[in-house]
Amino acid sequence: GESVGLHLPTLSVQEGDNSIINCAYSNSASDYFIWYKQESGKGPQFIIDIRSNMDKRQGQRVTVLLNKTVKHLSLQIAATQPGDSAVYFCAENMGSSNTGKLIFGQGTTLQVKP
Amino acid sequence: EAEVAQSPRYKITEKSQAVAFWCDPISGHATLYWYRQILGQGLELLVQFQDESVVDDSQLPKDRFSAERLKGVDSTLKIQPAELGDSAMYLCASSLVPGQAKGERNEKLFFGSGTQLSVL
Repeated sequence: GESVGLHLPTLSVQEGDNSIINCAYSNSASDYFIWYKQESGKGPQFIIDIRSNMDKRQGQRVTVLLNKTVKHLSLQIAATQPGDSAVYFCAENMGSSNTGKLIFGQGTTLQVKP
Repeated sequence: EAEVAQSPRYKITEKSQAVAFWCDPISGHATLYWYRQILGQGLELLVQFQDESVVDDSQLPKDRFSAERLKGVDSTLKIQPAELGDSAMYLCASSLVPGQAKGERNEKLFFGSGTQLSVL
């Protein structure tokens, strides 16, 4: 069936290094993607989004890359800080524009080592 | 910055008891969602409202779960009777509807801090 999946369940990086969190999606009709950050005991927090008519979008210290050819999404975090430690979820709209529905992946845990 | 409000923050109950969670979405957000997140797992959509109407409750265990949004603003999710397997984080989210804000997608969800439920 359709799914949004993450390649690695846990990613451990050194403080100051760049982090790359990957996500694979299977619905080629999906036209909107979001990355969320969830800290322990809190709700998911919006980080950045991207529409399918783009292949890159930058925010503050974060960049999302979209490769529609291989249906791959990645989140890059520059100069990773201890406060970036969290679970990161990608989500796609499964091609259902304007229904407000997102399908979430299982999440990748990012651990930042001091 | 406007936030989605949820209460209580934590709830401990015994199995077979009734529990209720409350959510107040961001002002002006017509769409409201309840998600369930079991520890270490992803988010499962339980119910989606647009205004006071249910848009999707296909994953809601209707034998024990109910949700309402009577005036199209705040919402209550109830479980009766609670079971051990209901232990999870219950998250509420809200979003705009198409056309509400130029350039914004209605799939952009804003989440509350959740209610952590423990059923003993």
